[in-house]
Amino acid sequence: EAGVAQSPRYKIIEKRQSVAFWCNPISGHATLYWYQQILGQGPKLLIQFQNNGVVDDSQLPKDRFSAERLKGVDSTLKIQPAKLEDSAVYLCASSLPLGQGANTGELFFGEGSRLTVL
Amino acid sequence: KNEVEQSPQNLTAQEGEFITINCSYSVGISALHWLQQHPGGGIVSLFMLSSGKKKHGRLIATINIQEKHSSLHITASHPRDSAVYICAAYKTSGSRLTFGEGTQLTVNP
Repeated sequence: EAGVAQSPRYKIIEKRQSVAFWCNPISGHATLYWYQQILGQGPKLLIQFQNNGVVDDSQLPKDRFSAERLKGVDSTLKIQPAKLEDSAVYLCASSLPLGQGANTGELFFGEGSRLTVL
Repeated sequence: KNEVEQSPQNLTAQEGEFITINCSYSVGISALHWLQQHPGGGIVSLFMLSSGKKKHGRLIATINIQEKHSSLHITASHPRDSAVYICAAYKTSGSRLTFGEGTQLTVNP
């Protein structure tokens, strides 16, 4: 079974530039998450999708971050313009919604996209 | 104060030792994850549990819902167990997953 795919793996940009990350979740997983993980810290939820609808984006800095999942499958996360403090690993994860059968809610993570803002 | 707290933050052990990592949470949860993250690597889910105890190989996870506490145990630790271990709780309100800060485990040969 194919895992969660993310690209690019690494990206270096200058502040005020824009960047986009792509995620393709495991087939059939309705729930998709984007997390930001700053070095030495645990992941922080940016946005959670259920199919193509947003469930939780309360911690997404909406002045510069945007995310979409138009067809309820793959998703993009954009940062425009980037700031130095956006340097982090951006993790995408997917799962079956908690409560819908055995092993639901189990998370599968992609390898992450490491962003460096200079 | 974080809603999910782990202890210790850093743990160094000798190969073969029994290891315990603790996770306490202050909110109502429906389930709790234990995750493993190797340096430069992605995150792997070790366990998801909502009650009792689960075991997989040398790893054991327990949860006490009344005390709002979970533990991850590693028996006969090995250098390849060196990683960051993260607990994450599904909050009952909104199904948001809230992460602890992680425990950096180093097992020396």
